[in-house]
Amino acid sequence: DAGVTQSPTHLIKTRGQHVTLRCSPISGHKSVSWYQQVLGQGPQFIFQYYEKEERGRGNFPDRFSARQFPNYSSELNVNALLLGDSALYLCASSLTAGGVTDTQYFGPGTRLTVL
Amino acid sequence: GQNIDQPTEMTATEGAIVQINCTYQTSGFNGLFWYQQHAGEAPTFLSYNVLDGLEEKGRFSSFLSRSKGYSYLLLKELQMKDSASYLCAVLNDYKLSFGAGTTVTVRA
Repeated sequence: DAGVTQSPTHLIKTRGQHVTLRCSPISGHKSVSWYQQVLGQGPQFIFQYYEKEERGRGNFPDRFSARQFPNYSSELNVNALLLGDSALYLCASSLTAGGVTDTQYFGPGTRLTVL
Repeated sequence: GQNIDQPTEMTATEGAIVQINCTYQTSGFNGLFWYQQHAGEAPTFLSYNVLDGLEEKGRFSSFLSRSKGYSYLLLKELQMKDSASYLCAVLNDYKLSFGAGTTVTVRA
């Protein structure tokens, strides 16, 4: 079975531009979470979507937005890019959302570089 | 708020045992996860604890004490491929909060 997939793998943008990152969860999983990982730190929670509804949002500005589609894939959008947005963006899928035994499985990530 | 602490780096010899400690203070708790992350790659799931005690999975074991806000990951019979960052993460409802990770270097 395919794991979590993300595209693109790498992306280079300039300040002020916007970016769209994509994620397809494991087949049968209905929840997608997005994390930002800056070099040398652990992943930071951005959003979780379950059944196409936003379930939670981390401490990120409104420049960050996301959505989930009927097939449970998801997009993360970031507007007005800043240098500090350079990071590895990870998508994780889980069967449901927040259950005690609901393990999150991570995709390979998208490496975003903002110049 | 969430506060999850783990050592920054550890070094051990091939074939040895290493214990990575994690202490946490979080507003809620639904379980504690350990992930392994090789440089430039995504975290991969290693273990999960929700009740106090030891969970064993092959060469890896994880322990939890909820009253002490403490967990450890035990890596036995270390192999060179175990050189990686190990992330401690607390699940609070739907959200995973991660520590900064412990970089383990295995030397021959």
